[in-house]
Amino acid sequence: SQKIEQNSEALNIQEGKTATLTCNYTNYSPAYLQWYRQDPGRGPVFLLLIRENEKEKRKERLKVTFDTTLKQSLFHITASQPADSATYLCALDGTGGFKTIFGAGTRLFVKA
Amino acid sequence: GAVVSQHPSRVICKSGTSVKIECRSLDFQATTMFWYRQFPKQSLMLMATSNEGSKATYEQGVEKDKFLINHASLTLSTLTVTSAHPEDSSFYICSASEAGFPGGQPQHFGDGTRLSIL
Repeated sequence: SQKIEQNSEALNIQEGKTATLTCNYTNYSPAYLQWYRQDPGRGPVFLLLIRENEKEKRKERLKVTFDTTLKQSLFHITASQPADSATYLCALDGTGGFKTIFGAGTRLFVKA
Repeated sequence: GAVVSQHPSRVICKSGTSVKIECRSLDFQATTMFWYRQFPKQSLMLMATSNEGSKATYEQGVEKDKFLINHASLTLSTLTVTSAHPEDSSFYICSASEAGFPGGQPQHFGDGTRLSIL
């Protein structure tokens, strides 16, 4: 079955640095990969979607890469701020009614 | 942006009570809505896919008689936890995809319902 792995350990970084989160997957070739942000006690918020034929996608301070050979996506937040502290979820998505599968997320703490 | 409203945000009730949770898409039509359950530090677990005008599709291991889903319109889906017991205590979240959006569809989530059964 499809499996997604995100680092379960929290990532602690200093304000202003670049945060890099990793998402690895197995047993599937997703057509899309999505990243969401989730704050405690809240629902996830969609951030970025990258297609299988795209290597990189950017949105403001966010950058996502998608390596279908390594079966890995990297999520970068540049010039990180304390307000970026949250849990970030990656999700595999496909076509033809394929249901979206979410990773457990990585908790990011940005210290001022 | 697309907004999904979920109510109530928190429910505390006695064992044996049935609880209804509403999920509304406020500014778009949602032919498909999803219901998830989330335990602390774990991923979202899909419970069922709700399709407007037809029966919901439940994931393996989810009791459809326990978790009743109704998707009566393009903007409203409800999840009723019938005769809830303490083991049903969890964080329930709904999401919706915009109808007609091509390709991979971002999901728009409600803010979740924290259900506590005493």
